[in-house]
Amino acid sequence: EPEVTQTPSHQVTQMGQEVILRCVPISNHLYFYWYRQILGQKVEFLVSFYNNEISEKSEIFDDQFSVERPDGSNFTLKIRSTKLEDSAMYFCASSVADESTEAFFGQGTRLTVV
Amino acid sequence: AQKVTQAQTEISVVEKEDVTLDCVYETRDTTYYLFWYKQPPSGELVFLIRRNSFDEQNEISGRYSWNFQKSTSSFNFTITASQVVDSAVYFCALSGYYNQGGKLIFGQGTELSVKP
Repeated sequence: EPEVTQTPSHQVTQMGQEVILRCVPISNHLYFYWYRQILGQKVEFLVSFYNNEISEKSEIFDDQFSVERPDGSNFTLKIRSTKLEDSAMYFCASSVADESTEAFFGQGTRLTVV
Repeated sequence: AQKVTQAQTEISVVEKEDVTLDCVYETRDTTYYLFWYKQPPSGELVFLIRRNSFDEQNEISGRYSWNFQKSTSSFNFTITASQVVDSAVYFCALSGYYNQGGKLIFGQGTELSVKP
């Protein structure tokens, strides 16, 4: 069964460093998303991406964040200068169409900023 | 504004008991979608069901059933004859229909613990 794959599963980084979280969405999917979940809290929407541009972003997704689809298969989330409060589980998701279809989530990348 | 409320933070049951997880939502959209996801201890999010706002028929899938009531803005999830493997955090989520980029608004989650 096709699945969304995220790497790495766990990343530890020092405050102020840049991190890139990587995702390989399901191959025939057209919509891509990043969500985050601070430990013990709910899953929060960060950004959606379609046709090589951002469709929508939340207030969390400020200038420190960026997304890119550098080739036909990868979808990345970059945090330019990490802060302690960026520590969270980051989920990538993809869907074949838009909100009318279910999004399939990757297993997540746990980011720890020290 | 869209909002999902899962008032039950934690529920603990004994195996074979039935359990209902509540979900109440708010939206101004006339067309929308509701979802349930399961997050087992391993951390991934597993899709369980999607329901559109036009379809108020209840759905049953094995031991799982869902009760959608538009009049009370609720989309409750019942597990019949619970098992230890059902232990997880369950999230209810809402998606608008038009021009919303497909984003999901999640509730706070209900942590279900099923004891043997």
